[in-house]
Amino acid sequence: DTAVSQTPKYLVTQMGNDKSIKCEQNLGHDTMYWYKQDSKKFLKIMFSYNNKELIINETVPNRFSPKSPDKAHLNLHINSLELGDSAVYFCASSPEPRRDTQYFGPGTRLTVL
Amino acid sequence: ELKVEQNPLFLSMQEGKNYTIYCNYSTTSDRLYWYRQDPGKSLESLFVLLSNGAVKQEGRLMASLDTKARLSTLHITAAVHDLSATYFCAVDYGDDKIIFGKGTRLHILP
Repeated sequence: DTAVSQTPKYLVTQMGNDKSIKCEQNLGHDTMYWYKQDSKKFLKIMFSYNNKELIINETVPNRFSPKSPDKAHLNLHINSLELGDSAVYFCASSPEPRRDTQYFGPGTRLTVL
Repeated sequence: ELKVEQNPLFLSMQEGKNYTIYCNYSTTSDRLYWYRQDPGKSLESLFVLLSNGAVKQEGRLMASLDTKARLSTLHITAAVHDLSATYFCAVDYGDDKIIFGKGTRLHILP
């Protein structure tokens, strides 16, 4: 069983569209994260959720919104997609926030045309 | 400004040699993370360093944190080809800010 899974793996869409990326973890962890890696491989943390409460919100545009229906899921919704949103998005989870090993999903490559 | 600088950014080394990757940061923090990324793959969490003087080892990799010098090192002992990857450090500044270094691309030659 995959510990942290993301869907879709690839996402190609037009500017202005709204899209979602799903993340699920079966590790029983309390904290989940979203990271962005751009075309130059620069990494940035976007959000994390601990027990359904947002605990990190790095200064990302409000077009990005994380939604956690339950502890095992943290989905990323993106409205009005822009060219600069093209990147690889990684989901991760850990038992506790910011002190434990994180387990990463395989990534979702988003391409905005 | 919160900065994290890794060096070198590129490193090509022979198998069997030792080397160190450095992660310097600009403002006081006592929490730092190291990650590994293989080409085209996801990230792997290597070490979580939570206090001054923290040292952690896993196989041929050892990470340390000196909060007074604002420096973390990732030391590679007797490198093997399988360690070829990109290594990232990330500094947790608190106040909801975690800043990544640009990564060190490590290529180990047989």
